[in-house]
Parts: sequence; C-alpha cells; structure tokens
Amino acid sequence: VQLQQWGAGLLKPSETLSLTCAVYGGSLSGYYYSWIRQIPGKGLEWIGEVNYDGSSRYLSSLKSRATISIDTSMNQFSLKLHSVTAADTAIYYCARSYDDYILSWGQGTAVAVSS
Amino acid sequence: SYVLTQPPSVSVAPGQTARITCGGNNVGSKSVHWHQQKPGQAPVLVVYEDINRPSGIPERFSGSNSGNTATLTISRVEAGDEADYFCQVWDTSGDHQRVFGGGTKLTVL
Repeated sequence: VQLQQWGAGLLKPSETLSLTCAVYGGSLSGYYYSWIRQIPGKGLEWIGEVNYDGSSRYLSSLKSRATISIDTSMNQFSLKLHSVTAADTAIYYCARSYDDYILSWGQGTAVAVSS
Repeated sequence: SYVLTQPPSVSVAPGQTARITCGGNNVGSKSVHWHQQKPGQAPVLVVYEDINRPSGIPERFSGSNSGNTATLTISRVEAGDEADYFCQVWDTSGDHQRVFGGGTKLTVL
C-alpha cells in the first residue's frame, strides 16, 4: 500500500490549509487514516484521523480548526486546517494507522504560512 | 496529556549496540512503537507493539518495554542506521490521541 499526498504549499495567515492523500494498492476498510505534522527541526505532532465509516478524532488543541474527511469512492482522505498562522508552518504527513500504531506514511508536504 | 521522554542524542561506533530509551508514566502498560526518520525522508515504522518488526526491517532492530521505560535496541550498528528515532503510543487517558516522543538523533561515529 502506498500513500501519495498533495496540496498547496504556501498560504497567507487566516487562509485554510487543504491537503489530500490517496491510498493505492489496498482497501480503506479496517484502518485509520491520520494526519501528522513536523515543525522543522522539531518532533512529530498527531493532528487527527478518520476511519472508513467517517468517524474522526482530533488533537484537543487543534479540534476547533481541523477537519479530516474520507472519500471511499476515490480511496482518498483529506485535511483542512482553518485560520492558519505562522505557527502552522510544518511538513504535513498523511499516514495509515492500524490499531495502536502508525503503519505507513506518505511522502510529506511542506506548508509555509507567510504574509 | 501523556508525555514520552527521549534523550536528544545517542552516539555509537559501527558494529556496536545502540539503545534508545523512551520514558513515560507506566509506559510498560501501553504498546510502544518506533519510527525511524532519515534526513529529508518520511518516517518508517521499525518496531510495533513493543517487540515486533514489520517485514523488511532487519533483525538487528528489537524492542522492549517494562515499567516506565521502553527501549529500542539496534545491534551491530551500521552507518545507514544514522537517523532520528521516535517512539509512539496510543494514549487513552484523556482525549484519545496518538502521542510521540521528542525524538532521538542516532549518530554513528
């Protein structure tokens, strides 16, 4: 199974970050589909995830701004993060999770927020 | 929320054994997973559920977890093992969320 992600890499403050991840070579069912970000030079931060039936959960601090959705017909899932600021500048990864662990990762998308 | 603590760096000579720790309150009661991230690349799962290796990961990578510390052990370290290593758990103590340690930079001398 491979994950291929894409989306806009440069945003202005207050805009909405929008990323999509396609799942190739496997069924969506039975897994969670996660978004994780990494501020340059820092660690990893889980943003949230969605499962096959559309149930989602989020990091508490981002819950008010993040929306993760899934399109089973296209084998894709998406992240929208509203009202971005410079603090949201990071590399964003999509990932496929099974039970407790993150099983595989997308290639990452660098997103910069600057006026 | 649950906190995982890793040493910022570990250094080891080629052929020696590297041990990277991941500390957390009663982490032994959770399943710990380890991800390797080489410069400019996405992370890769190297150990899951404390002790298991995904297919394609060398037997030199092993894990353990007890009490307040989980450990990733890399035997017969090679230059290609130089990377950042992150531990990860699923935290069910409050809002359910996936939690990462801060990462450990493994340097092969």
